[in-house]
Parts: sequence; C-alpha cells; structure tokens
Amino acid sequence: AQTVTQSQPEMSVQEAETVTLSCTYDTSESNYYLFWYKQPPSRQMILVIRQEAYKQQNATENRFSVNFQKAAKSFSLKISDSQLGDTAMYFCAFMNYGGATNKLIFGTGTLLAVQP
Amino acid sequence: NAGVTQTPKFQVLKTGQSMTLQCAQDMNHEYMSWYRQDPGMGLRLIHYSVGAGITDQGEVPNGYNVSRSTTEDFPLRLLSAAPSQTSVYFCASTLNRGETQYFGPGTRLLVL
Repeated sequence: AQTVTQSQPEMSVQEAETVTLSCTYDTSESNYYLFWYKQPPSRQMILVIRQEAYKQQNATENRFSVNFQKAAKSFSLKISDSQLGDTAMYFCAFMNYGGATNKLIFGTGTLLAVQP
Repeated sequence: NAGVTQTPKFQVLKTGQSMTLQCAQDMNHEYMSWYRQDPGMGLRLIHYSVGAGITDQGEVPNGYNVSRSTTEDFPLRLLSAAPSQTSVYFCASTLNRGETQYFGPGTRLLVL
C-alpha cells in the first residue's frame, strides 16, 4: 500500500526567508501524481502545487517550488520569501495514475509558523 | 460559482443518533469524495463517487453511507453516531482524476 511520510511535525521560519518542507512516499507504481495542500487556520484546504511523476521538470508556482526526486521517492516543498500568510498546516499527498478511484493519500502534515 | 459547499458547519450529536452531512458542488465535477481529518493523522478517505449513481468505499467506510443521485450532491450519512466519529469532515470534488481537488470548508462533528 502507498504511504506518505512527513517527518517534520512543526517548523518555524522568519519572514522573507526560505524554508523547505520534506515529504517521502512509498509506492511500486511508476506513474502517479503528487500534491502539496495548505490548510490555514480557516481550515480551508487549498492546493499549493501539483506534480506529475512522468514529468522531469520540477513544478513551480510563484514563491512555491518542489524538488521531485523520483528515484529517492522524495517530494519536498520550498517556500521562498516567506510571508505571514504562509502560516498554515502543509500536507503532502499522493495519487495513483491508474485505476478508477480518485483517492488522495495524505501525510500527517507539517505545521509551519512564519515569524515576523 | 459557489464551488463546494458543506452544511452544517458544526454539529453536536449524542451517541446513537443519525444525521446527514450535506455536500454540493456547482462545477459539474464527476468525482466527489468524503474525507475525515483527525489530529496527527492527516485526511483519510471515507467514500468516493466517480459519477452519478456510482459510489465506492475508501479507507475508513465503517459507520457511514453515501449515495449520489445527482452530479451536484453527495451526502454522507452517519447511521448511528459513535464518539470515534468525532472529527472534521471534508467533501471534495474534481473534474478529472489527478487534477486539483476542490475542498469544501469542512463540517466539525462532535459526538458525545
């Protein structure tokens, strides 16, 4: 069964600095999707970034980028120029490419605090 | 578009009571899912649907029922509430597999 591991329960970063959140996953599949979701105190789940495993290029969305290492099964999220609004719980998630389900497998989350 | 809406926002139940959590989306998405979020455990899939009339179980389906009579609505029924069902429940929808899932604002449920 696929699993997603986020080994950093909590992290802290100063405003304007860069922080990297770690995520590893376990799968025997070769094609799959990976996601980072953000959950601010409002509780709303918001997609930050998405990566398709067959694409070599790392996904980027403004200040957010990933380091996707397929052989190592690693999918870390880098946040540049951190802002107070980035304070949130961040979840890494995995989805198989094949099959009929739309099942996301989530990690346990990393609580990020951006300090002024 | 309202996106994905959930009602109620918060509910208190007594053990053994039943209730339905409502979920609706106005984006004409085929795929809809219900997740529960518990502290330290991330989100876990309860049930999902790949279109009107088609539902299936996720990781933690026991104690919950779903149906999908229309594309827009995907209610989650608790048959006989138990304290272990105290959680935050999220409904999500997406147009295609692997695409962005849009989440509702969540329903916080407390079972006493």
